[in-house]
Parts: sequence; structure tokens; C-alpha cells
Amino acid sequence: DGGITQSPKYLFRKEGQNVTLSCEQNLNHDAMYWYRQDPGQGLRLIYYSQIVNDFQKGDIAEGYSVSREKKESFPLTVTSAQKNPTAFYLCASSEWTGALTDTQYFGPGTRLTVL
Amino acid sequence: GQQLNQSPQSMFIQEGEDVSMNCTSSSIFNTWLWYKQDPGEGPVLLIALYKAGELTSNGRLTAQFGITRKDSFLNISASIPSDVGIYFCAGLEYTNYGQNFVFGPGTRLSVLP
Repeated sequence: DGGITQSPKYLFRKEGQNVTLSCEQNLNHDAMYWYRQDPGQGLRLIYYSQIVNDFQKGDIAEGYSVSREKKESFPLTVTSAQKNPTAFYLCASSEWTGALTDTQYFGPGTRLTVL
Repeated sequence: GQQLNQSPQSMFIQEGEDVSMNCTSSSIFNTWLWYKQDPGEGPVLLIALYKAGELTSNGRLTAQFGITRKDSFLNISASIPSDVGIYFCAGLEYTNYGQNFVFGPGTRLSVLP
């Protein structure tokens, strides 16, 4: 099946530890994104990558890091510098054809709880 | 970053009623997208609109791309309990840096039996 997978679904970590969230897509999409969602809130962009080996900060990048070594993978590391890491994290990907028909698709999300 | 405005923020309706929600922006977008998110899940794409004035249906859902390219609406006819969730609109614009997807804050829909 084609799609976006995120693992794990639930993640618990102690305060002060770094944690890496996985995101893989087999849609052959060039662009990938990470969003954060807090309870009752909308989506806020953390990082995005339009192409392998390149990524850009979104609106709330502080305390997070990413890598894009492969087209299908875009892991997100939540570092100990992130002051309020407990949230629901969503990965997304999109085609980038510039043909005005590009669409973004989401993974199932990872709920991170920092104790 | 910029945000879209969605209204209403939340709504409670009776099963079988029709629903209408909209999304507005001060900027022009090339594409409008509508998503539904169930609790604890990722948003699922419902409808994509690519052309100003376009009206597209997906089952009981109908969405339109505003002629000014600054708004879009989503209608749900004959609501059922599984329509409960948060509905997000998103606009896509192309910038010098590539794609920029901008999301609204969502409309929370509750369906009463």
C-alpha cells in the first residue's frame, strides 16, 4: 500500500532526553513536512524539506532537528532544548510538480509524552 | 506565518442536517484543500480544488474554490454520526522557496443523534 508511516504511535520519554520520531513515505514525493498539533489547536509547521539533503525551518523549529538523507525518510529529533515537547506530531508529504495540482498527505501521527 | 480563518470554530448539529463551513484568507491561493481529522489520527484529504470557481463533490461532501481565490467552502449533506471530527482547510501557494501550505485552525463538528 502507498502511504506515509509514522512510528511509534505513542512515545514516552523522560525530561531531558532527546527522542527521534520516524517518518517514511513510499509515494515518491519530493517534499516532506513535520507539524506539531497541541490539544484543540491547529497545525504548526516545524520543518520541511523540498528535496533530499535540504531542509528549511518552519514557524516553530527551535528545539527540533531533522535530516533528509533519503527521499523516502524524514526523521524528526525532539531535543532537550524543546521547552514543551509533549504534543501530537504529524508528518506529511507532497508532490512538487509546480503544475498547480500538488496535494499534501498526512501520516497517522505520533503522540509524544514527556514525563 | 500567515493563517487562514475558518468559521464556525465549532458546531453542533442534529443527525440528518446539512452542514456548511468556510475558509477565508487575505491572500490568493493556487489550490484549496479540505481535510478531516478524527481524534488521535492524522488528517485525511477529503477534497482538493485546483481552479477558481471549481465546484467538486465527494459523496455527501461538496466544496467550492472561491472565484476571488481567497476563500473556499465545504458543505456536508445529511450528516451522520461518523462525520464528527475536525475539518481543516488548507491553501497552497508557490513561493521562491517552493510550496507553502497554510492551514486554518479547524472547525470542530459534533453530530447529535
